[in-house]
Amino acid sequence: EAGVVQSPRYKIIEKKQPVAFWCNPISGHNTLYWYLQNLGQGPELLIRYENEEAVDDSQLPKDRFSAERLKGVDSTLKIQPAELGDSAVYLCASSLGGGRTDTQYFGPGTRLTVL
Amino acid sequence: AQKITQTQPGMFVQEKEAVTLDCTYDTSDPSYGLFWYKQPSSGEMIFLIYQGSYDQQNATEGRYSLNFQKARKSANLVISASQLGDSAMYFCAMRGTYKYIFGTGTRLKVLA
Repeated sequence: EAGVVQSPRYKIIEKKQPVAFWCNPISGHNTLYWYLQNLGQGPELLIRYENEEAVDDSQLPKDRFSAERLKGVDSTLKIQPAELGDSAVYLCASSLGGGRTDTQYFGPGTRLTVL
Repeated sequence: AQKITQTQPGMFVQEKEAVTLDCTYDTSDPSYGLFWYKQPSSGEMIFLIYQGSYDQQNATEGRYSLNFQKARKSANLVISASQLGDSAMYFCAMRGTYKYIFGTGTRLKVLA
């Protein structure tokens, strides 16, 4: 079974430029998460989707970040414009859903460097 | 509010010995799940073990076991017979009714 796929693995951009990350979850997983992970820290949730619906986007900086999950499968996270402080690893995870038993499976992440 | 605390930023263990990584949590949810993930230097988060708040027995998965003490709100990970490949960051996480949160992690180094 294929795991969570993310691309690109690495991205270097200059500040004020736009950037987009793509995630394809494990087949059959209805729940998709985007996390931000700063160096030496745990992942912090940006947005959670249940199928096509964003059910928790309270931590997403909506002035510059946007996300979509059309058709309830793959998802795109966008930053426009990027700032120096956005340099981090962006992790995508998926799960079957199901509340407290909800085990997430992560992709390899995208390491973003903003110059 | 939910909170996960990992108080050990770094740990060392000799190869073949056991090690315990600490995790305490706080939640007002009556039902929750506790998870441990491993993150090697390659960056991918790997699921290790799960414990439900109503589970009577401590979870075990191969060399991993979870020492769950509900009254003390702790969910420590025990790795037996440490291997060099166990060197990584380890994150404790909790899934409540609506939220999934992670601790700040413990960096484990296994010494040959």
